[in-house]
Amino acid sequence: AQSVTQLDSQVPVFEEAPVELRCNYSSSVSVYLFWYVQYPNQGLQLLLKYLSGSTLVKGINGFEAEFNKSQTSFHLRKPSVHISDTAEYFCAVSVPYSSASKIIFGSGTRLSIRP
Amino acid sequence: NAGVTQTPKFQVLKTGQSMTLQCAQDMNHNSMYWYRQDPGMGLRLIYYSASEGTTDKGEVPNGYNVSRLNKREFSLRLESAAPSQTSVYFCASSEVIGGYGYTFGSGTRLTVV
Repeated sequence: AQSVTQLDSQVPVFEEAPVELRCNYSSSVSVYLFWYVQYPNQGLQLLLKYLSGSTLVKGINGFEAEFNKSQTSFHLRKPSVHISDTAEYFCAVSVPYSSASKIIFGSGTRLSIRP
Repeated sequence: NAGVTQTPKFQVLKTGQSMTLQCAQDMNHNSMYWYRQDPGMGLRLIYYSASEGTTDKGEVPNGYNVSRLNKREFSLRLESAAPSQTSVYFCASSEVIGGYGYTFGSGTRLTVV
């Protein structure tokens, strides 16, 4: 079975500072990896995804993530955050080509931006 | 351009009452899902439908039933609501089961008193 762990439940950063949100996964087979963002009182929105190919994935709003198979990690980064990035971020994993596969979500990391 | 539409957005129930949460998607997706979101616990899968005509239990199915009415619609029913079912419920859909990312509705905030 697959699982995903988000190592930080809350990350406070100052505006215009860089940020990294950490995600580790566990799986015995190849996986798809995702980051979702949830703004207050809204649903989840896909930020970026890794399916195959280049290990550096670029998403919306200036975010990027790097797939590291040896470390089983998929950390999310942004070089300079803005107040509008305040949200909860979810890492998720699924197994491709599996009829029983569903996306498994981490418990979330709340990013708070200080002016 | 609606994507996934959930109704209602808010609901307050008394313990023991029943209700159905509605979900519809207009993207011709095959797979649909119901999740609940509770503080500190992320999203937990209640039920899913890999394709029209099939439904399966997820991680936390007890106290819930679902119906895949057609390809567009997937409803979640609480037969006898309990305070432990107070949560935010999200419906999602995807082109195929598991990949390549879900589209989520905006959620239903349910309080059971």
